Amino acid sequence: AQSVTQLDSQVPVFEEAPVELRCNYSSSVSVYLFWYVQYPNQGLQLLLKYLSGSTLVESINGFEAEFNKSQTSFHLRKPSVHISDTAEYFCAVSERDDKIIFGKGTRLHILP
Amino acid sequence: DSGVTQTPKHLITATGQRVTLRCSPRSGDLSVYWYQQSLDQGLQFLIQYYNGEERAKGNILERFSAQQFPDLHSELNLSSLELGDSALYFCASSVWSAGELFFGEGSRLTVL
Repeated sequence: AQSVTQLDSQVPVFEEAPVELRCNYSSSVSVYLFWYVQYPNQGLQLLLKYLSGSTLVESINGFEAEFNKSQTSFHLRKPSVHISDTAEYFCAVSERDDKIIFGKGTRLHILP
Repeated sequence: DSGVTQTPKHLITATGQRVTLRCSPRSGDLSVYWYQQSLDQGLQFLIQYYNGEERAKGNILERFSAQQFPDLHSELNLSSLELGDSALYFCASSVWSAGELFFGEGSRLTVL
C-alpha cells in the first residue's frame, strides 16, 4: 500500500527567501503525485501534479516540484516566497486508479 | 469556489449521538471521497465512491458509514459519537478515480 511522508511539520522562512518542502512516498507500482495547498479556514486546492512525462512540474504561482523515481521523492520548491504563501501544504500519492493518500502536511510560516 | 458543497459547515453534538454529513460533488464528477482532518492525525482517507459504488476504503471506523446516491451526492453517517471524533470532515470529488480532487470547505464536527 502506498504511503506519504512529509518530514517537516513546520517550515519557517523569511520573505523572498527560497524554500523546499520535502515529500517522500512509498509504493510498489507507478504512481501519480500531487501537492495541495490549504489556506487558513479553507478546503484544500490542487497546487500541481505529476501524472507522466516531464519530471519537473510547475504551478502558476511560482512553485515547482520534481519527481525523482530513484529517491521516491516529490519535493516542492519556490525560489522566492511571499507572505501570501503562508499555508499548509500537503503531498499526496495515488497508485493509479486507486485512492489518494495524503501526507500529514507542512505548515509554511513566512517571516517578515 | 471548488463547486463541491458540504453541509452543515459546523455541527456541535453530544457523545453517543448520530450525525449525517452531506456532500454534493461538482457537476459531472463521478468520484466522491471523504477525509477526516485532525491536528494529531492529519488528513485521513475514509472512503471513496465511484458512480454509486464503493471504490476504496481507508481508516473508516465501523461506527461510520457512507453512501453515494443515484444523483451522485454522498452522505457520511457517524454514530455512537465519541470525543475523539471531533474533527474537520472533508468531501472531495473528481471526474475519474485517482484524478485531481476538488475539496469542499469541510464540516467541522464538535463532540461534547
